[in-house]
Amino acid sequence: AQKITQTQPGMFVQEKEAVTLDCTYDTSDQSYGLFWYKQPSSGEMIFLIYQGSYDEQNATEGRYSLNFQKARKSANLVISASQLGDSAMYFCAMRETGANNLFFGTGTRLTVIP
Amino acid sequence: AAGVIQSPRHLIKEKRETATLKCYPIPRHDTVYWYQQGPGQDPQFLISFYEKMQSDKGSIPDRFSAQQFSDYHSELNMSSLELGDSALYFCASSLGRGQGMNTEAFFGQGTRLTVV
Repeated sequence: AQKITQTQPGMFVQEKEAVTLDCTYDTSDQSYGLFWYKQPSSGEMIFLIYQGSYDEQNATEGRYSLNFQKARKSANLVISASQLGDSAMYFCAMRETGANNLFFGTGTRLTVIP
Repeated sequence: AAGVIQSPRHLIKEKRETATLKCYPIPRHDTVYWYQQGPGQDPQFLISFYEKMQSDKGSIPDRFSAQQFSDYHSELNMSSLELGDSALYFCASSLGRGQGMNTEAFFGQGTRLTVV
């Protein structure tokens, strides 16, 4: 089974608006970490935000916040006040207990429209 | 702040040749991961090292090998290259073996390998 599912291959958002990128995950572990990365067209993989399974509060990093719903196994990324530079591919990823790797979703391509 | 350094940034090889990709993790990071990302695909985990020992293995072909050296840098060796090996190869590093789930993994800028 796919460990990370991103159901939106592409998303469009108007500049200055907020956008939510969906991510659901599948694990039987109680302890795990969830990550979001941004990959612009230049190719580098940029870490955005992290959420631990035991964290009671949703993670926030500047304009990025993670809407963590543990019972639903979802970890959606919310980008507020979108900027043109936010146009990129966004990957959700998960690390399970004791595993030394990240499982990635298939990504969502976000396009910010002026 | 120092980031993960990968070299070379771009590499063109012919079929059946060999290639060596290098990764220099963030200082004091003891864990290195290698990923392969084909065009339009998500990154696929190849292999990881913790304290110079292999810790996890993913979909790494037998033609590939990797190691982590005493200074924690890592090399991915690829032999008998095939056209399908053309991809972006990422190295990432983190501190700790991931037992602490909030161990962020930071990626290098990647090596774009083209096999012709």
